[in-house]
Amino acid sequence: GAVVSQHPSRVICKSGTSVKIECRSLDFQATTMFWYRQFPKQSLMLMATSNEGSKATYEQGVEKDKFLINHASLTLSTLTVTSAHPEDSSFYICSAEDRNWEQYFGPGTRLTVT
Amino acid sequence: SQKIEQNSEALNIQEGKTATLTCNYTNYSPAYLQWYRQDPGRGPVFLLLIRENEKEKRKERLKVTFDTTLKQSLFHITASQPADSATYLCALPGHNTNAGKSTFGDGTTLTVKP
Repeated sequence: GAVVSQHPSRVICKSGTSVKIECRSLDFQATTMFWYRQFPKQSLMLMATSNEGSKATYEQGVEKDKFLINHASLTLSTLTVTSAHPEDSSFYICSAEDRNWEQYFGPGTRLTVT
Repeated sequence: SQKIEQNSEALNIQEGKTATLTCNYTNYSPAYLQWYRQDPGRGPVFLLLIRENEKEKRKERLKVTFDTTLKQSLFHITASQPADSATYLCALPGHNTNAGKSTFGDGTTLTVKP
């Protein structure tokens, strides 16, 4: 089956610094990737839709200047959390959609901001 | 926007029994519905997709039904095993131009006791 990887799997950073998370579709091309965040015992909340070659579409309430998304190629999307604060600590998950509407999720990135 | 309710936050059953999870939605009927499995600290894993014109779909010990009149999907795991213990999420696609933006339920955490 299709595989999506994320890097890093876990990151700890200091308040005020920026963190970049990579999402790669390893064996298929994805024109659309999605970024989610998930708090403990809660469901996935869509943050933004990443489209290859164009600007990302952000969900209501998500600051586009804080969560920078770049979909550089058909297999890579990056999420940069800028000027991170403790409240940004969360589990960030990306997914890539294939032609059959099936979403393949990455393993997630645990971000802790101290 | 679509609202999704999954029957209960937690479900405990004995090994060998059939687990039945419920997913109800309140708004428009989607073209399809998906079920995912999520283990702690991991991204969701796609299990099954059922389209609006399909009443039932099976995959090994898994069975999904889709009743657009009741606005409900049932997810069954037969002959359950402790390894089936996980959180199960249902997801519905967005409407019209937002088709790619899936909405996820909060999930039901299944525990299968030996």
